[in-house]
Amino acid sequence: GAVVSQHPSWVICKSGTSVKIECRSLDFQATTMFWYRQFPKQSLMLMATSNEGSKATYEQGVEKDKFLINHASLTLSTLTVTSAHPEDSSFYICSASLTSGYGYTFGSGTRLTVV
Amino acid sequence: QKEVEQNSGPLSVPEGAIASLNCTYSDRGSQSFFWYRQYSGKSPELIMFIYSNGDKEDGRFTAQLNKASQYVSLLIRDSQPSDSATYLCAASSGAGSYQLTFGKGTKLSVIP
Repeated sequence: GAVVSQHPSWVICKSGTSVKIECRSLDFQATTMFWYRQFPKQSLMLMATSNEGSKATYEQGVEKDKFLINHASLTLSTLTVTSAHPEDSSFYICSASLTSGYGYTFGSGTRLTVV
Repeated sequence: QKEVEQNSGPLSVPEGAIASLNCTYSDRGSQSFFWYRQYSGKSPELIMFIYSNGDKEDGRFTAQLNKASQYVSLLIRDSQPSDSATYLCAASSGAGSYQLTFGKGTKLSVIP
């Protein structure tokens, strides 16, 4: 149980285009999801907290107009990287808080490469 | 500023030995602590969580928590090459949908 499905697992896009990443909780309802970014050999960096039915809360330094987060239902949150640039190339991972209240379960991650 | 500190490593241990991973946290209000394993290019997977002082054992893994010293550790007995990964320590201020604060991770290499 407590599976989070993330798609796509990898994507290559041209500079200036937008990319949408989906994160679904398959067997539980996730009122809160978190979006992380991880550059090579670095730790997870929290980008934003996504709450169902309300606006996401972004961490300092994360551009909310560039990284659009939508959490329209209890099982789906999306991250759209708008006008992507090569410096946005990274590993993006979503996670959802377990209903047990202990810990997160992570999606499998999306490797984004902007060329 | 809530911080979770880990030695980045790499920590190298021979196969069959005990690997000891350590973590300290700055927020005394932290209540729950988590250990995640992350293989290169993959997302983290939860190994264990602990919220009471003392030891918690699960198979080859033992988590230890000392709230007075603000210290958490993970012991891996009979280490295997497949345990080679980066181990992330995380702290939460409570149960429910609270944010986790992650350490930067310790890279473990188990040498055959």
